[in-house]
Amino acid sequence: GQQLNQSPQSMFIQEGEDVSMNCTSSSIFNTWLWYKQDPGEGPVLLIALYKAGELTSNGRLTAQFGITRKDSFLNISASIPSDVGIYFCAGPAVGNEKLTFGTGTRLTIIP
Amino acid sequence: DAGVIQSPRHEVTEMGQEVTLRCKPISGHNSLFWYRQTMMRGLELLIYFNNNVPIDDSGMPEDRFSAKMPNASFSTLKIQPSEPRDSAVYFCASKTSGSYEQYFGPGTRLTVT
Repeated sequence: GQQLNQSPQSMFIQEGEDVSMNCTSSSIFNTWLWYKQDPGEGPVLLIALYKAGELTSNGRLTAQFGITRKDSFLNISASIPSDVGIYFCAGPAVGNEKLTFGTGTRLTIIP
Repeated sequence: DAGVIQSPRHEVTEMGQEVTLRCKPISGHNSLFWYRQTMMRGLELLIYFNNNVPIDDSGMPEDRFSAKMPNASFSTLKIQPSEPRDSAVYFCASKTSGSYEQYFGPGTRLTVT
């Protein structure tokens, strides 16, 4: 079946630093979604990507749909304490409505 | 606008007891998904409904788990009898047809002792 691998698994950064993470698939995806999960809460949709090569921003967040359609990238500029959490990529399995989720990247900000 | 609503937020029960988790999807959404999240296994899809009809229940772990969606605004996930290994956070998510964007509720943290 399809698998989504996210890297890095965890990041420890200082406030103000930029963050980059990525998600790779063993097969082609037609849609990429990026979610953030805060402790004790459900995942929140951040950005949705629908076309290869697409670059979409949401405030300090920018995500890109890789041109091979097998990867996606999420960047956070000038990180702030509320960026702490787990970031998941997700995409629909071929031919149905189910989402495959990545393994997550845990972001921690060092004081 | 109200998001996906789940209740209870926390549930502690003893092994062997019946547990019922509830979900109200976003109004106008016609697909509903139940997930389970654990540290070991991450986020797992249990079952999903389209227009109140179960489409894929291949993720339901065993017969102790059952889910219903009697109408467009309500779904339940029932575990009977519950076991300690069912301890997890259970999420409900909903979406509109034609979109892949799922919106999650806050989850129910279930602890079975």
